[in-house]
Amino acid sequence: GAVVSQHPSWVICKSGTSVKIECRSLDFQATTMFWYRQFPKQSLMLMATSNEGSKATYEQGVEKDKFLINHASLTLSTLTVTSAHPEDSSFYICSARVGPEQYFGPGTRLTVT
Amino acid sequence: DAKTTQPPSMDCAEGRAANLPCNHSTISGNEYVYWYRQIHSQGPQYIIHGLKNNETNEMASLIITEDRKSSTLILPHATLRDTAVYYCIVAGWGGSQGNLIFGKGTKLSVKP
Repeated sequence: GAVVSQHPSWVICKSGTSVKIECRSLDFQATTMFWYRQFPKQSLMLMATSNEGSKATYEQGVEKDKFLINHASLTLSTLTVTSAHPEDSSFYICSARVGPEQYFGPGTRLTVT
Repeated sequence: DAKTTQPPSMDCAEGRAANLPCNHSTISGNEYVYWYRQIHSQGPQYIIHGLKNNETNEMASLIITEDRKSSTLILPHATLRDTAVYYCIVAGWGGSQGNLIFGKGTKLSVKP
């Protein structure tokens, strides 16, 4: 199947700083990329959907000014968590869609101290 | 909200077939049934998807009832590495209808 990578796999940052997470589709071009968040012992929650070259669509309750998404090319999307706080600590997972199939990255563990 | 209902947990003996049920009684005609699994602290792994016909690949088989209101994922010979949370998701093709909304899934424990 298609491969999606994320970088970094884990990051620790101080409260108030910003963190950027990259998501790449390695062997295919993705028309749409997605960002999910997963808290411990909970399911994945969709945060936003992005199409290359256009603004992201955020799910209800997700602050677009806090979670900045840039989808500059058909193989790269970035999520920037601005002014991170401890409650933003979570497992962030991206996915990329090609046709009816969607493939997920390995996730990024963010810890805000 | 997720459009599917799955049992919260199941056990399966190693080497036996694991049959994971899913109810999706409100599925629309243009919606697919997708199955993913998530092993602890990893991203979800695509398993299989189908529209109305049964499907099989190297990982699993998907059996969809004729009325499409339920389906079963079959892992023919479960191994310890198949221990994971399995998600059944109903979604359309493209646009916001194609967004995968995850429910709570079924935690499958394969035991030796």
